[in-house]
Amino acid sequence: DIQVTQSPSSLSASIGDTVTITCRASQTVNRYLHWYQQKPGKAPHLLIYTASSLQSGVPSRFSGSGFTTEFTLTISSLQPEDFATYYCQQTYIHPHTFGQGTKLEIK
Amino acid sequence: QVQLQESGPGLVKPSETLSLTCTVSGASISGLYWSWIRQPPGKGLEWIGNVYYSGGTNYNPSLKGRVTISVDMSKNQFSLNLSSVTAADTAFYYCARVVVGSYCYAMDVWGQGTSVTVSS
Repeated sequence: DIQVTQSPSSLSASIGDTVTITCRASQTVNRYLHWYQQKPGKAPHLLIYTASSLQSGVPSRFSGSGFTTEFTLTISSLQPEDFATYYCQQTYIHPHTFGQGTKLEIK
Repeated sequence: QVQLQESGPGLVKPSETLSLTCTVSGASISGLYWSWIRQPPGKGLEWIGNVYYSGGTNYNPSLKGRVTISVDMSKNQFSLNLSSVTAADTAFYYCARVVVGSYCYAMDVWGQGTSVTVSS
């Protein structure tokens, strides 16, 4: 299986800050890397697909980059509704593994 | 718009089979992949497997052959069966639509999830 490691596992930030979350794969996943946001008690929803493509309806303050084994999710100018848990997922090889999640909290 | 809705028992006894159904509305199940994901209480997401509308499947080996995912095109539904359950299978279970092509198997529509507890 491809292991997907996110860092940090938790992060505190203030409204208006810019934060970056990293996802590393144990072997290449090409660009088959996606980012999801999950709020408490809700289903995850897709933010970024294929490393850098913004899902329809997602604010432009969210951006993604990366290729092969290292990827980042950047959230600029944090808004109150951005405080949530973020997951990356690789879909290059089955099983389609998730990272362990990064909980973004208000400082 | 496309909506997915999970249904099934919220309580399953140990050693029995967990059975869930995902009903798709607003789109045909035809031509696409569909997936199941679970999340134990307070933990992260685990990919269970996916099914192509024609019946082809991929499963997470961590579930050691206990999982079966199937499609019922006549009802526009797909289902999850997980046999020989233990307390470790207690989780929120989500179904999702998988998009291929430029989305490279990302999951763009999710059900709201359903809680399943394994307990006698």
